[in-house]
Amino acid sequence: GENVEQHPSTLSVQEGDSAVIKCTYSDSASNYFPWYKQELGKRPQLIIDIRSNVGEKKDQRIAVTLNKTAKHFSLHITETQPEDSAVYFCADRSGNTGKLIFGQGTTLQVKP
Amino acid sequence: KAGVTQTPRYLIKTRGQQVTLSCSPISGHRSVSWYQQTPGQGLQFLFEYFSETQRNKGNFPGRFSGRQFSNSRSEMNVSTLELGDSALYLCASSWTSVGNEQFFGPGTRLTVL
Repeated sequence: GENVEQHPSTLSVQEGDSAVIKCTYSDSASNYFPWYKQELGKRPQLIIDIRSNVGEKKDQRIAVTLNKTAKHFSLHITETQPEDSAVYFCADRSGNTGKLIFGQGTTLQVKP
Repeated sequence: KAGVTQTPRYLIKTRGQQVTLSCSPISGHRSVSWYQQTPGQGLQFLFEYFSETQRNKGNFPGRFSGRQFSNSRSEMNVSTLELGDSALYLCASSWTSVGNEQFFGPGTRLTVL
């Protein structure tokens, strides 16, 4: 069935360190994998996404990697800053739909 | 361009009542999806509308329904409210339902007493 598992549920790093969040999906037809950042009391905001025909995508300090064989995708944040502190959600989408299946979220704390 | 807007932002209802939430997508976007966010269950897909047609539905009871108008604005309705319906209801819009990023509104915080 449709399922996205996200780990870890909480992550605490020192400012300047890197943070990695991993997700595993179950649907072989999944073809789109977005990552959202949600600050307390605010809406989820798309920070980066990757499609199934690409293995890696970077945007400044953030990158996403996709391993279709293992059905894994990961978010990498380098040189973390206190303003990176938030809840991060991975998601996947299968086929030609607008239905996103979300992971349970990772609370990232960046300590100054 | 204005972002996705949702009204009302906060609602307090009692068990057994019904509620209607509204979502206005980004101008030009034709697809609207709805999600329920709770601390225990996370973000769960409710349904998706495109060109006034429901394209997908999540695993929610029939008390949850929605519709989309010709201007792409969407409403969702929850009848016979239960305590467990207390949640943040988020809508997201995209150009189409295929291959496009979804942008979320601020959500409607529903509290059922």
